[in-house]
Amino acid sequence: DGGITQSPKYLFRKEGQNVTLSCEQNLNHDAMYWYRQDPGQGLRLIYYSQIVNDFQKGDIAEGYSVSREKKESFPLTVTSAQKNPTAFYLCASSPTSGNNEQFFGPGTRLTVL
Amino acid sequence: DAKTTQPNSMESNEEEPVHLPCNHSTISGTDYIHWYRQLPSQGPEYVIHGLTSNVNNRMASLAIAEDRKSSTLILHRATLRDAAVYYCILTTNAGGTSYGKLTFGQGTILTVHP
Repeated sequence: DGGITQSPKYLFRKEGQNVTLSCEQNLNHDAMYWYRQDPGQGLRLIYYSQIVNDFQKGDIAEGYSVSREKKESFPLTVTSAQKNPTAFYLCASSPTSGNNEQFFGPGTRLTVL
Repeated sequence: DAKTTQPNSMESNEEEPVHLPCNHSTISGTDYIHWYRQLPSQGPEYVIHGLTSNVNNRMASLAIAEDRKSSTLILHRATLRDAAVYYCILTTNAGGTSYGKLTFGQGTILTVHP
């Protein structure tokens, strides 16, 4: 089945530790995105990538880093510099950037203790 | 970014039509209107999008006002599985670059009663 997978579904980390969230897609999509969602709020864009080996900051990139070494993979690292890392993280992809449907993964809920 | 305004919540009965409104009075000529929905603890799901003309797909219909300052998502027969948060989003082409940025507001919480 084609789709987007995120792992793990739930993640717990101690304060001050970096943590990497996985996002993989087998839809052959060029563009990939990372969003953050806080309780009762809409999603906010962290980073996006239109093509392999290229990525751009979104609205709330501070404290996060990404890489796009393969078309299928777009991991997100939440660094210790992120002041409020506890949130629901969602990865998405689309065939190209632009006005295309974005397909979302199931999300990873990160809790920093 | 052009902004959208939606009611915080709406209610419907099962098997009745639902009309979810969205105001976007500052929409520009190249902005597309997208609708996504999100069930609890899941990622959003694309519903429909359009530019100027009304659109229909298997999930819903999108009615766009002639001046494009508002739109309505229509679920023809609501089911319990349609209970979700519905987001109306404009995708903006800024300075010729378009990267499909979705700016989510708080959306409309749709409750469907059996």
